[in-house]
Amino acid sequence: EIVLTQSPGTLSLSPGERATLSCRASQSVSSSYLAWYQQKPGQAPRLLIYGASSRATGIPDRFSGSGSGTDFTLTISRLEPEDFAVYYCQHSETFGQGTKLEIK
Amino acid sequence: EVQLVESGGGLVKPGGSLRLSCAASGFTFSSYSMNWVRQAPGKGLEWVSSISSSSSYIYYADSVKGRFTISRDNAKNSLYLQMNSLRAEDTAVYYCAREGGSSGWNDYWGQGTLVTVSS
Repeated sequence: EIVLTQSPGTLSLSPGERATLSCRASQSVSSSYLAWYQQKPGQAPRLLIYGASSRATGIPDRFSGSGSGTDFTLTISRLEPEDFAVYYCQHSETFGQGTKLEIK
Repeated sequence: EVQLVESGGGLVKPGGSLRLSCAASGFTFSSYSMNWVRQAPGKGLEWVSSISSSSSYIYYADSVKGRFTISRDNAKNSLYLQMNSLRAEDTAVYYCAREGGSSGWNDYWGQGTLVTVSS
């Protein structure tokens, strides 16, 4: 069973800064199955990135995904106020535990 | 516009049963695999079950295997989750989600329905 470990657990940054979120798999996985979601309080998750690096429909280009094998990264180039949320990575049926991105 | 609307959640006693429904619209429902994903209060996301477009392939998380049954009615554009022998640890918001590709990721989610298992 694949385990996804996200780090850090909480990331405190200011609007305009760059955010780098990590997702590490317990064994090498196919990039095709790696996705990232954003979830705000009281809302359903929203797909941001699929196939490790493809942006979902309507997702701003400040969001980008990269990585392969066991290490994947979600980068938000310049944080907007609406980007502060919890982010999850997913591979197949497994989700990471989430990274909370909070305003510093 | 793709829409997924869950219903059927509520308060149920341990050992009880509940049937969740998800009404789909805005896309060709019969062409997509569908998933149930849950989120316990204050916790992360947990995949629960998947069903392929024609119901040929069905999968369950170990935590619900033997107690939950996923099904779909393509004529009614609806997805279901029959939950039996419910436990306190099944308390969660249950989301239905459309599988966007053949790789497990979900491109559209419903707003969720809350299931509370408590005496």
